[in-house]
Amino acid sequence: LAKTTQPISMDSYEGQEVNITCSHNNIATNDYITWYQQFPSQGPRFIIQGYKTKVTNEVASLFIPADRKSSTLSLPRVSLSDTAVYYCLVGANSGYALNFGKGTSLLVTP
Amino acid sequence: EPEVTQTPSHQVTQMGQEVILRCVPISNHLYFYWYRQILGQKVEFLVSFYNNEISEKSEIFDDQFSVERPDGSNFTLKIRSTKLEDSAMYFCASSVTGGGSLYEQYFGPGTRLTVT
Repeated sequence: LAKTTQPISMDSYEGQEVNITCSHNNIATNDYITWYQQFPSQGPRFIIQGYKTKVTNEVASLFIPADRKSSTLSLPRVSLSDTAVYYCLVGANSGYALNFGKGTSLLVTP
Repeated sequence: EPEVTQTPSHQVTQMGQEVILRCVPISNHLYFYWYRQILGQKVEFLVSFYNNEISEKSEIFDDQFSVERPDGSNFTLKIRSTKLEDSAMYFCASSVTGGGSLYEQYFGPGTRLTVT
């Protein structure tokens, strides 16, 4: 499994764009990059997944450079309710477990 | 939108007692999972279950733990003799198909287990 590195915490004001970068230097050819979000006292929730270039959905965008050794989760115009822990996961369809690291704790303030 | 449900939301038990945590996965999902999260720590995988048998388990999932799908809707985690260090939030999850992080897993709201 590719090891991932993300900042432990980030702070932002409401209305700003937040970019959380994840490093995964040992990513394998078959690996996808997946991000989950976890609100306090709730289970993780899938946000977005990608393999290369850019993926966008109603919640976020995921930018993956050509070498795929890192990825950036972009949250446009965050609100207080985006305060959560964000996890970057890298893997393919081997095994069943999701391997969560410590994630990035995002705090959004007014 | 369909969701995973878990009961109870909070369970308090004494050390050495047996507990059963219950989950109702999303109805058309075939793969089921248990994870736990000790307060302030990361989410840890315990076990996955498919076709009425365990497909993968972690080192945490020792002989004290067991899982069962007693009927067509429920999925349970039993801890035979609880220890203080079993105190954690336990999350059930389900997915349409299995395959590591490639396929979205849907998590329930969790059961907070407190062992005294």
